Amino acid sequence: EVQLVESGGGLIQPGGSLRLSCAASGFTVSSNYMSWVRQAPGKGLEWVSVIYSSGGTYYADSVKGRFTISRDNSQNTLYLQMNSLRAEDTAIYYCARDSKGPATWGQGTLVTVSS
Amino acid sequence: DIQMTQSPSSLSASVGDRVTVTCRASQGITNDLGWYQQKPGKAPKRLIYAASSLQSGVPSRFSGSGSGTEFTLTISSLQPEDFATYYCLQHNSYPLTFGGGTKVEIK
Repeated sequence: EVQLVESGGGLIQPGGSLRLSCAASGFTVSSNYMSWVRQAPGKGLEWVSVIYSSGGTYYADSVKGRFTISRDNSQNTLYLQMNSLRAEDTAIYYCARDSKGPATWGQGTLVTVSS
Repeated sequence: DIQMTQSPSSLSASVGDRVTVTCRASQGITNDLGWYQQKPGKAPKRLIYAASSLQSGVPSRFSGSGSGTEFTLTISSLQPEDFATYYCLQHNSYPLTFGGGTKVEIK
């Protein structure tokens, strides 16, 4: 069974850093496109970043230069390193396995940026 | 970036009603469109991919149509468990973009 479990969220002050993890089971992360999608409280969905099976990456303009997507093949885990966090980054962050778009989603992890 | 305009933003309907949600892309995306259902406190769930293909395990009352710039999600007979928010997503080019969402409420 394909499963994704996010972790690493929490309360962080503006300007701080946080690393989110997404542990995968039932498939190989490195053989798939993997995305992060976020949802601010009470708002719609916003795509954040993708890592291709080749290792290439792409980011939304809103996070470019501050967030880095990566993976650990030995751990079969996806990561999102978030630096210079802002209040507007407050959201639930979901990881997803892509197959013609995000197909299978994790349950999400909440990131709150506040002083 | 490709903009996705979804309508309506909300609707009220009764059990058994036929419901239609529309998404319009700012440029042609062939059939690179998915539809997602999200219930409160839950992760989104994909219902339709490639504009009209039903995700495995999704009831056949859900259907999708369209190509190019105009797309439609139809629920043929609304069931109690279908009250949720629905989103379209284009995956033709990065950045991927979602529609604003349609909240389907009980009349």
